[in-house]
Amino acid sequence: QVQLVESGGALVRPGGSLRLSCAASGFTFSDYYMSWIRQAPGKGLEWISYISSGGSTIYYADSVKGRFTISRDNAKNSLFLQMNSLRAEDTAVYYCARDLKATVTLDYWGQGTLVTVSS
Amino acid sequence: DIQMTQSPSSLSASVGDRVTITCRASQSIARYLNWYQQKPGKAPKLLIYGAFSLQSGVPSRVSGSGSGTDFTLTISSLQPEDFATYYCQQSYTTPYTFGQGTKLEIK
Repeated sequence: QVQLVESGGALVRPGGSLRLSCAASGFTFSDYYMSWIRQAPGKGLEWISYISSGGSTIYYADSVKGRFTISRDNAKNSLFLQMNSLRAEDTAVYYCARDLKATVTLDYWGQGTLVTVSS
Repeated sequence: DIQMTQSPSSLSASVGDRVTITCRASQSIARYLNWYQQKPGKAPKLLIYGAFSLQSGVPSRVSGSGSGTDFTLTISSLQPEDFATYYCQQSYTTPYTFGQGTKLEIK
């Protein structure tokens, strides 16, 4: 069965960096676009980035552009999110999700990993 | 950016009720509209994609309709497991924005 497992969330100081990982299994990872979505505590969902199946097409939300970098390793069935210059407003649960139709239609989600940015 | 506005923000209903949640886009998104269900402490679950296509495994009491700027999610006969928060999301163009959510509570 399809499984997505995020890791790497932690407490980090403002201005710090963190790298999130998402381990995929149960499907041919290299066939699918993937996205990162976040949810601040008690708030709604915010799409932040996607990457095409081969990694050649990448988009970011303006809120993270220039600070976050999405990448993938198809040989290791893994998705990554490098987060730099972290701010308090980046505090959230971060989800990776599989894209059903290469249109950011997210059919499988991981359980999420919590990133807390605080001094 | 395309703004997605859901109404109502919260809704109280009883088991067996028919409920409808509305999502309005700030510009036309054709049928690039998805609906998700989220329960507390859990990841969202895809219910409807392309405005009206039922995701595999989702019960047929759930349906979606609409095109352009106005969309609806309908649950024909509420079951206890349907009490959750629902989000619409446009998949028309980046950034792929979500509505603010509709919390469906038991009356």
